[in-house]
Amino acid sequence: ETGVTQTPRHLVMGMTNKKSLKCEQHLGHNAMYWYKQSAKKPLELMFVYNFKEQTENNSVPSRFSPECPNSSHLFLHLHTLQPEDSALYLCASSQDRTGSGTDTQYFGPGTRLTVL
Amino acid sequence: DAKTTQPPSMDCAEGRAANLPCNHSTISGNEYVYWYRQIHSQGPQYIIHGLKNNETNEMASLIITEDRKSSTLILPHATLRDTAVYYCIVRVGFSGGTSYGKLTFGQGTILTVHP
Repeated sequence: ETGVTQTPRHLVMGMTNKKSLKCEQHLGHNAMYWYKQSAKKPLELMFVYNFKEQTENNSVPSRFSPECPNSSHLFLHLHTLQPEDSALYLCASSQDRTGSGTDTQYFGPGTRLTVL
Repeated sequence: DAKTTQPPSMDCAEGRAANLPCNHSTISGNEYVYWYRQIHSQGPQYIIHGLKNNETNEMASLIITEDRKSSTLILPHATLRDTAVYYCIVRVGFSGGTSYGKLTFGQGTILTVHP
């Protein structure tokens, strides 16, 4: 248990559906992240939010739309996805601690997404 | 961020120490060495990180060479539950402002602990 929860854990959707993934962190962190892990590939960073502001979009297609209403919650809205978007979607959070020199990211369990 | 090189797979007997190497010969002075592991289909789990000095926590020890060009993660008494993919990542530390930097995952080392 890392303090980062994700729902749902599994999701099957058609290409015309609209769905949302939810992430919640209970660690008091101020930065949150979405990663994608396709089969047999390394994790890829998608988005970074810092104090609710998006600070990085790693050239992600517009069919993925993130939302960060506050520092504890992060959503990934999905619409008109393609079968190649099937993957494990991971959320992480971190907090830089003044003087520590670095921040450590803690990951949730992921949502296994299948697009039919 | 500096590139890392890890062996694709390793085996370890249960109860023995698992020593996982990582080469990062192009590491810069402000880059940290991080280790994560990922058990099948779960989210990556943070293990340990360090800058220059050796580090130890309840999970593992991290040994960084004096020139910082390589490191070793040590699981002192491996169990079957330590079977996972282990990732060595080098990343820039906090430099002020919004440094929330990337964790660039490679292929990692598949560690198999056998009875």
